[in-house]
Amino acid sequence: DQQVKQNSPSLSVQEGRISILNCDYTNSMFDYFLWYKKYPAEGPTFLISISSIKDKNEDGRFTVFLNKSAKHLSLHIVPSQPGDSAVYFCAANLASGTYKYIFGTGTRLKVLA
Amino acid sequence: DVKVTQSSRYLVKRTGEKVFLECVQDMDHENMFWYRQDPGLGLRLIYFSYDVKMKEKGDIPEGYSVSREKKERFSLILESASTNQTSMYLCASSPTDRGPGQPQHFGDGTRLSIL
Repeated sequence: DQQVKQNSPSLSVQEGRISILNCDYTNSMFDYFLWYKKYPAEGPTFLISISSIKDKNEDGRFTVFLNKSAKHLSLHIVPSQPGDSAVYFCAANLASGTYKYIFGTGTRLKVLA
Repeated sequence: DVKVTQSSRYLVKRTGEKVFLECVQDMDHENMFWYRQDPGLGLRLIYFSYDVKMKEKGDIPEGYSVSREKKERFSLILESASTNQTSMYLCASSPTDRGPGQPQHFGDGTRLSIL
């Protein structure tokens, strides 16, 4: 049972436009959510996080939005750049549990120059 | 900067061999994790450890074991390699002392092929 889902396997966006990556989850007890970026032949690198007590967190070109009632989070990248082309994973953690994260299946973003 | 180092980037082994994947982190993190990444399946947790000599099964532990004799080192062992264990293996670590919600830091992965 996939508790964290990324329903879009891939996404193509024109350079300079907004990229929106989506993630849905089923467990309302998740307390922290993270986004990672992964280039081929490299490990995932942490991008941005959000706590369940917030609905928005911003870091430069990256903003994460959390809609708890819909059990949905999204990552917005504005403006998109060719270097953003990578696979993006969302992950969720139960603060009251262990330090494990449950990862989504990933979305491959391609930013076209 | 946190450094998580996996001993091999690419590895080719034969069916039935015992395979060792090594991971070392230099940030004194308590938690260490082994994942495998497969197309369309994302990152799936194999095993994790929250202290020396402590381990817990993740979502797909079958066919694997782990060893954590020292805090900085976490080894993944394929007891008898099979072709369905061909995958990208990723090691990660994270601290405990800064509370929950801390990101995990990943190594660059080992691409393992079982022939």
